[in-house]
Amino acid sequence: KQEVTQIPAALSVPEGENLVLNCSFTDSAIYNLQWFRQDPGKGLTSLLLIQSSQREQTSGRLNASLDKSSGRSTLYIAASQPGDSATYLCAVGMYSGGGADGLTFGKGTHLIIQP
Amino acid sequence: GAGVSQSPSNKVTEKGKDVELRCDPISGHTALYWYRQSLGQGLEFLIYFQGNSAPDKSGLPSDRFSAERTGGSVSTLTIQRTQQEDSAVYLCASSSRGAVGAFFGQGTRLTVV
Repeated sequence: KQEVTQIPAALSVPEGENLVLNCSFTDSAIYNLQWFRQDPGKGLTSLLLIQSSQREQTSGRLNASLDKSSGRSTLYIAASQPGDSATYLCAVGMYSGGGADGLTFGKGTHLIIQP
Repeated sequence: GAGVSQSPSNKVTEKGKDVELRCDPISGHTALYWYRQSLGQGLEFLIYFQGNSAPDKSGLPSDRFSAERTGGSVSTLTIQRTQQEDSAVYLCASSSRGAVGAFFGQGTRLTVV
């Protein structure tokens, strides 16, 4: 059974810092890995999706890397801003039939960026 | 619609009552998923619909939970004889084959008192 772990569980840093959120998974036979952002009282917003054949994806100040063989992914946030404060969730997809088939989620990293 | 729509956004119900949660996926998306997020926990997969195929119900926690998807579009998650441990945020997502990931609704916060 796939297990996804996110470290740290919570992080509070001053504005402007670069930071790294970690995600690890136990079964490396994944189809894709997706990073989501969840704001309080709201649904999940997809940030980046990495297919199993890819090693990284970038969107603005966000960069996600994937090392499938070691079961790890990192989300790098450059020049953090207070608006980046949210819970960041890592989800691993195990099947090829569709986008979210068999997604297994980590418990998330609760990020606070101090102004 | 432009995104996945869920209703109601909040629901408070008495223990033992039945509740229905609705999900309206993105138009044209063939896949629809229900997840549950309890306080302090990660997302828990409940059920998955793909087109006209039989749904994957492997995540439903008990036979009090059921879901249907009419006409390959709107889905309803029904919880019978609700218990306090059913209190959670219920999230719906949709995707299409080959799409770049899943799109989630805002969720329904269910509180059983």
